[in-house]
Amino acid sequence: DAKTTQPTSMDCAEGRAANLPCNHSTISGNEYVYWYRQIHSQGPQYIIHGLKNNETNEMASLIITEDRKSSTLILPHATLRDTAVYYCIVRTLNSNSGYALNFGKGTSLLVTP
Amino acid sequence: EADIYQTPRYLVIGTGKKITLECSQTMGHDKMYWYQQDPGMELHLIHYSYGVNSTEKGDLSSESTVSRIRTEHFPLTLESARPSHTSQYLCASSASGTGTPPNYGYTFGSGTRLTVV
Repeated sequence: DAKTTQPTSMDCAEGRAANLPCNHSTISGNEYVYWYRQIHSQGPQYIIHGLKNNETNEMASLIITEDRKSSTLILPHATLRDTAVYYCIVRTLNSNSGYALNFGKGTSLLVTP
Repeated sequence: EADIYQTPRYLVIGTGKKITLECSQTMGHDKMYWYQQDPGMELHLIHYSYGVNSTEKGDLSSESTVSRIRTEHFPLTLESARPSHTSQYLCASSASGTGTPPNYGYTFGSGTRLTVV
Protein backbone atom coordinates (compact mmCIF):
# COMPACT_ATOMS: atom_id res chain seq x y z
CA ASP A 1 0.00 0.00 0.00
CA ALA A 2 1.09 3.56 -0.72
CA LYS A 3 2.60 5.46 2.20
CA THR A 4 0.78 8.58 3.42
CA THR A 5 2.13 11.71 5.09
CA GLN A 6 -0.03 13.88 7.34
CA PRO A 7 0.78 16.82 9.62
CA THR A 8 1.12 15.77 13.23
CA SER A 9 -1.38 18.31 14.54
CA MET A 10 -3.69 21.13 13.49
CA ASP A 11 -5.94 23.68 15.14
CA CYS A 12 -9.27 24.99 13.89
CA ALA A 13 -11.72 27.52 15.32
CA GLU A 14 -15.22 26.26 16.00
CA GLY A 15 -17.57 27.00 13.12
CA ARG A 16 -14.78 27.32 10.58
CA ALA A 17 -13.86 24.79 7.94
CA ALA A 18 -11.17 22.30 8.92
CA ASN A 19 -8.96 21.28 5.98
CA LEU A 20 -6.82 18.25 6.69
CA PRO A 21 -4.16 17.46 4.06
CA CYS A 22 -2.70 14.10 3.15
CA ASN A 23 0.17 13.34 0.81
CA HIS A 24 0.23 10.01 -1.02
CA SER A 25 2.65 10.62 -3.86
CA THR A 26 3.27 6.91 -4.53
CA ILE A 27 -0.41 6.01 -4.88
CA SER A 28 -1.16 3.56 -7.66
CA GLY A 29 -4.11 3.55 -10.02
CA ASN A 30 -6.21 1.00 -8.15
CA GLU A 31 -5.73 2.42 -4.67
CA TYR A 32 -8.50 4.25 -2.85
CA VAL A 33 -8.07 7.03 -0.28
CA TYR A 34 -9.88 6.39 3.00
CA TRP A 35 -10.35 8.69 5.98
CA TYR A 36 -11.12 7.59 9.52
CA ARG A 37 -11.13 9.45 12.80
CA GLN A 38 -10.63 8.40 16.41
CA ILE A 39 -12.18 10.42 19.19
CA HIS A 40 -10.38 10.11 22.51
CA SER A 41 -9.37 6.42 22.31
CA GLN A 42 -12.76 5.24 21.10
CA GLY A 43 -12.71 2.88 18.13
CA PRO A 44 -11.92 4.68 14.86
CA GLN A 45 -14.91 5.79 12.83
CA TYR A 46 -15.15 5.65 9.04
CA ILE A 47 -15.62 9.09 7.45
CA ILE A 48 -15.32 8.89 3.67
CA HIS A 49 -13.39 7.33 0.82
CA GLY A 50 -12.71 8.03 -2.86
CA LEU A 51 -10.73 6.97 -5.91
CA LYS A 52 -10.26 10.04 -8.10
CA ASN A 53 -13.45 12.08 -8.02
CA ASN A 54 -14.30 14.42 -5.18
CA GLU A 55 -16.72 12.90 -2.71
CA THR A 56 -19.14 14.38 -0.20
CA ASN A 57 -21.31 12.85 2.49
CA GLU A 58 -23.07 14.06 5.61
CA MET A 59 -19.82 14.15 7.58
CA ALA A 60 -17.22 15.61 5.23
CA SER A 61 -15.92 16.27 1.74
CA LEU A 62 -12.90 14.64 0.15
CA ILE A 63 -10.95 16.53 -2.47
CA ILE A 64 -8.43 14.48 -4.46
CA THR A 65 -5.96 16.28 -6.74
CA GLU A 66 -6.01 15.45 -10.42
CA ASP A 67 -2.70 13.58 -10.22
CA ARG A 68 -4.03 11.79 -7.09
CA LYS A 69 -0.81 12.46 -5.20
CA SER A 70 -2.57 14.31 -2.42
CA SER A 71 -6.01 14.82 -0.93
CA THR A 72 -7.78 17.05 1.57
CA LEU A 73 -10.51 16.13 4.01
CA ILE A 74 -12.82 19.05 4.65
CA LEU A 75 -15.06 19.37 7.69
CA PRO A 76 -17.18 22.34 6.55
CA HIS A 77 -18.24 23.68 9.96
CA ALA A 78 -16.03 22.20 12.65
CA THR A 79 -17.50 21.67 16.11
CA LEU A 80 -15.81 20.85 19.41
CA ARG A 81 -16.93 17.25 18.92
CA ASP A 82 -14.76 17.03 15.81
CA THR A 83 -11.63 17.14 17.98
CA ALA A 84 -10.00 13.80 17.17
CA VAL A 85 -7.12 12.07 15.43
CA TYR A 86 -7.78 11.83 11.68
CA TYR A 87 -6.22 9.03 9.68
CA CYS A 88 -5.63 9.07 5.92
CA ILE A 89 -5.20 5.55 4.53
CA VAL A 90 -4.50 4.42 0.99
CA ARG A 91 -5.65 0.92 0.08
CA THR A 92 -6.29 -1.41 -2.75
CA LEU A 93 -9.43 -3.48 -2.60
CA ASN A 94 -8.42 -6.98 -3.46
CA SER A 95 -7.63 -10.14 -1.57
CA ASN A 96 -3.98 -10.14 -2.69
CA SER A 97 -3.18 -7.16 -0.51
CA GLY A 98 -5.31 -8.25 2.41
CA TYR A 99 -8.08 -6.33 4.08
CA ALA A 100 -6.50 -5.04 7.29
CA LEU A 101 -5.98 -1.28 7.59
CA ASN A 102 -2.72 0.35 8.65
CA PHE A 103 -3.72 3.51 10.52
CA GLY A 104 -0.37 5.25 10.91
CA LYS A 105 0.03 8.29 13.19
CA GLY A 106 -2.70 10.51 11.75
CA THR A 107 -3.35 14.23 12.37
CA SER A 108 -4.51 15.36 15.78
CA LEU A 109 -7.14 18.04 15.15
CA LEU A 110 -8.03 20.39 17.99
CA VAL A 111 -11.17 22.47 17.52
CA THR A 112 -11.17 25.49 19.80
CA PRO A 113 -14.09 27.64 20.99
CA GLU B 1 -29.40 -2.65 15.62
CA ALA B 2 -26.36 -4.20 13.96
CA ASP B 3 -23.24 -3.50 15.95
CA ILE B 4 -20.01 -4.82 17.38
CA TYR B 5 -19.67 -5.47 21.09
CA GLN B 6 -16.63 -5.81 23.31
CA THR B 7 -16.60 -6.97 26.89
CA PRO B 8 -15.42 -6.14 29.41
CA ARG B 9 -15.01 -2.41 28.88
CA TYR B 10 -12.39 -2.22 31.64
CA LEU B 11 -10.40 -5.02 33.27
CA VAL B 12 -7.84 -4.89 36.07
CA ILE B 13 -6.25 -8.23 36.72
CA GLY B 14 -3.26 -9.72 38.49
CA THR B 15 -0.10 -11.02 36.84
CA GLY B 16 -0.27 -14.64 35.73
CA LYS B 17 -4.05 -14.78 35.30
CA LYS B 18 -5.64 -16.13 32.14
CA ILE B 19 -8.00 -13.67 30.48
CA THR B 20 -10.32 -13.67 27.49
CA LEU B 21 -11.49 -10.48 25.83
CA GLU B 22 -14.80 -10.95 24.07
CA CYS B 23 -15.78 -9.49 20.71
CA SER B 24 -19.05 -10.17 18.90
CA GLN B 25 -20.68 -8.56 15.88
CA THR B 26 -24.22 -8.84 14.57
CA MET B 27 -23.55 -7.55 11.06
CA GLY B 28 -22.64 -10.86 9.48
CA HIS B 29 -19.20 -9.53 8.56
CA ASP B 30 -16.77 -12.22 7.46
CA LYS B 31 -13.61 -10.30 8.41
CA MET B 32 -12.62 -9.44 11.96
CA TYR B 33 -9.56 -7.80 13.50
CA TRP B 34 -7.86 -7.07 16.82
CA TYR B 35 -5.81 -3.92 17.29
CA GLN B 36 -3.71 -2.90 20.27
CA GLN B 37 -3.22 0.75 21.20
CA ASP B 38 -1.25 2.33 24.04
CA PRO B 39 -2.39 5.81 25.19
CA GLY B 40 -1.52 8.47 22.64
CA MET B 41 0.12 5.95 20.34
CA GLU B 42 -0.67 4.29 17.03
CA LEU B 43 -3.09 1.44 16.46
CA HIS B 44 -1.26 -1.81 15.75
CA LEU B 45 -2.87 -4.84 14.14
CA ILE B 46 -2.21 -7.96 16.23
CA HIS B 47 -4.65 -10.54 14.79
CA TYR B 48 -7.12 -10.89 11.96
CA SER B 49 -9.52 -13.43 10.55
CA TYR B 50 -11.08 -13.63 7.11
CA GLY B 51 -13.62 -16.27 8.05
CA VAL B 52 -14.49 -19.18 10.31
CA ASN B 53 -11.47 -21.30 11.27
CA SER B 54 -9.12 -18.74 9.69
CA THR B 55 -6.81 -16.66 11.89
CA GLU B 56 -3.55 -14.85 11.18
CA LYS B 57 -1.06 -12.79 13.15
CA GLY B 58 -0.85 -9.10 12.41
CA ASP B 59 2.04 -6.68 12.05
CA LEU B 60 2.72 -6.37 15.78
CA SER B 61 3.89 -9.50 17.55
CA SER B 62 1.58 -10.42 20.42
CA GLU B 63 1.56 -13.19 23.01
CA SER B 64 -2.22 -13.33 22.75
CA THR B 65 -4.13 -15.91 20.74
CA VAL B 66 -7.47 -15.75 18.95
CA SER B 67 -10.07 -18.16 17.66
CA ARG B 68 -12.89 -17.92 15.13
CA ILE B 69 -15.31 -20.79 15.58
CA ARG B 70 -18.39 -18.74 14.71
CA THR B 71 -18.69 -15.90 12.22
CA GLU B 72 -19.94 -13.46 14.81
CA HIS B 73 -17.45 -14.21 17.59
CA PHE B 74 -13.69 -13.43 17.72
CA PRO B 75 -12.33 -13.73 21.28
CA LEU B 76 -8.75 -12.87 22.26
CA THR B 77 -6.99 -14.82 25.02
CA LEU B 78 -3.93 -14.16 27.12
CA GLU B 79 -2.84 -17.36 28.87
CA SER B 80 -0.74 -15.57 31.49
CA ALA B 81 -1.21 -11.82 31.78
CA ARG B 82 1.80 -9.60 32.44
CA PRO B 83 2.14 -5.85 33.12
CA SER B 84 3.55 -5.44 29.59
CA HIS B 85 0.11 -6.48 28.28
CA THR B 86 -1.46 -3.37 29.79
CA SER B 87 -3.05 -1.56 26.86
CA GLN B 88 -6.30 -0.90 25.03
CA TYR B 89 -7.55 -3.68 22.76
CA LEU B 90 -9.92 -2.75 19.93
CA CYS B 91 -11.91 -5.23 17.89
CA ALA B 92 -13.21 -4.42 14.41
CA SER B 93 -15.07 -6.09 11.57
CA SER B 94 -15.59 -5.46 7.88
CA ALA B 95 -17.59 -6.95 5.05
CA SER B 96 -16.13 -8.44 1.90
CA GLY B 97 -16.87 -5.24 0.09
CA THR B 98 -19.30 -5.38 -2.75
CA GLY B 99 -20.67 -2.78 -5.08
CA THR B 100 -18.79 -0.20 -7.05
CA PRO B 101 -16.93 1.17 -5.17
CA PRO B 102 -17.41 -0.86 -2.00
CA ASN B 103 -17.70 1.02 1.25
CA TYR B 104 -15.18 -1.27 2.80
CA GLY B 105 -15.79 0.48 6.06
CA TYR B 106 -14.51 -0.92 9.26
CA THR B 107 -16.78 -0.95 12.31
CA PHE B 108 -14.99 -0.81 15.64
CA GLY B 109 -16.08 -1.87 19.09
CA SER B 110 -15.68 0.42 22.10
CA GLY B 111 -12.51 -1.36 23.19
CA THR B 112 -11.28 -3.08 26.35
CA ARG B 113 -8.85 -1.22 28.59
CA LEU B 114 -6.69 -3.89 30.20
CA THR B 115 -4.50 -3.19 33.21
CA VAL B 116 -2.30 -5.96 34.56
CA VAL B 117 -0.95 -5.32 38.04
